[in-house]
Amino acid sequence: EVQLVESGGGLVQPGSSLKLSCVASGFTFSSYNMHWIRQAPKKGLEWIALIYYDSSNKYYADSVKGRFTISRDNSKNTLYLEMNSLRSEDTAMYYCAKQDYDWFAYWGQGTLVTVSS
Amino acid sequence: DIQMTQSPASLSASLGETVTIECRASEDIYSNLAWYQQKPGNSPQLLIYDANSLADGVPSRFSGSGSGTQYSLKINSLQSEDVASYFCQQYNNYPPLTFGSGTKLEIK
Repeated sequence: EVQLVESGGGLVQPGSSLKLSCVASGFTFSSYNMHWIRQAPKKGLEWIALIYYDSSNKYYADSVKGRFTISRDNSKNTLYLEMNSLRSEDTAMYYCAKQDYDWFAYWGQGTLVTVSS
Repeated sequence: DIQMTQSPASLSASLGETVTIECRASEDIYSNLAWYQQKPGNSPQLLIYDANSLADGVPSRFSGSGSGTQYSLKINSLQSEDVASYFCQQYNNYPPLTFGSGTKLEIK
């Protein structure tokens, strides 16, 4: 059974940093591209980052480019999102998602990041 | 970037009714479209991919159609468990992947 379990969220002050993790199981993690997608409270879904299965390519939404870094450790079946210079508008539930072809059949349960003073 | 315009933003319907949710892309996305259902407090769940293919385990009362820039999700015989938000997502040209703004479905 495919499982994605995020962690690392919390309440932080504007300008601070946070690193999210997503531990994957139930599939060959090293064979799949992975994404981070976020959802602000009562809002829609926003794709924010993609990393290829072998880390050869990484892409970011304009809203986080230069502040967030996606990475992975295939030996640990873990996806990461390092977030710097956090802003109030980064407050959201952060989901990791496994790319199946070009859609997402598997999502984690999410980890909540709140940026507030 | 491809913009996805979803309508309506909210919808109220009676049990047993048929409802339709629309998504319009800012350019032709060649049926490279998925639909997701998100129940309150839960992660999104895949309903439809390639505009009209039903994901595993999804009830047959859900269906997708469309082409070019116009797509729709239809729910036949609305059930109480269909109360959720629904999102479309294009994957014809990315990054960035883009989602519609969502439709909140309630029972009347």
